[in-house]
Amino acid sequence: EAGVAQSPRYKIIEKRQSVAFWCNPISGHATLYWYQQILGQGPKLLIQFQNNGVVDDSQLPKDRFSAERLKGVDSTLKIQPAKLEDSAVYLCASSLIQGPYNEQFFGPGTRLTVL
Amino acid sequence: QKEVEQDPGPLSVPEGAIVSLNCTYSNSAFQYFMWYRQYSRKGPELLMYTYSSGNKEDGRFTAQVDKSSKYISLFIRDSQPSDSATYLCAMSVTVAGNQFYFGTGTSLTVIP
Repeated sequence: EAGVAQSPRYKIIEKRQSVAFWCNPISGHATLYWYQQILGQGPKLLIQFQNNGVVDDSQLPKDRFSAERLKGVDSTLKIQPAKLEDSAVYLCASSLIQGPYNEQFFGPGTRLTVL
Repeated sequence: QKEVEQDPGPLSVPEGAIVSLNCTYSNSAFQYFMWYRQYSRKGPELLMYTYSSGNKEDGRFTAQVDKSSKYISLFIRDSQPSDSATYLCAMSVTVAGNQFYFGTGTSLTVIP
């Protein structure tokens, strides 16, 4: 079974530029999550989707971050414009169904450096 | 106060040692308690989860939850060099969707 795919793996941009990350979850997984993991910290949940609908985006800085999951499969997370403090690893995860416990399968992440 | 507190370590032990990893939390509404392992440059992978207070064992790993003290632990017996990784505790609660909170992670090195 293929795992969660993410691209690009690494991205370096200057502040105020825009960047987009792509995630392809495990086939058949209805729930998709985006996390931000700053160096030395645990992952912080930004947004979660159930199929193509947003379940919760209360931790997403909506003035600069946006995410979509068209057709309920792939998802894109965008930052516009980027700030220095956005430097982090952005992790995508998926689970078969939604719930307080459902095993989340994580992708390798996209490491973003904002200069 | 953070929702979840975890000692970042680093922790270095000889092969075969018993390792104890711990987290405390402040939100008594947390329902599920999980431990993830994260190797360098990889995403976290689920090791164990528990729901109620008590112990849950899986091979060399034992997860322990004490809801009255808001304290969870992960014990690793007969530690191996392949256990060298960062261990993250995580907790979940259902509030307008399912919220997941991770600790900062404890870096573990098992020395052969």
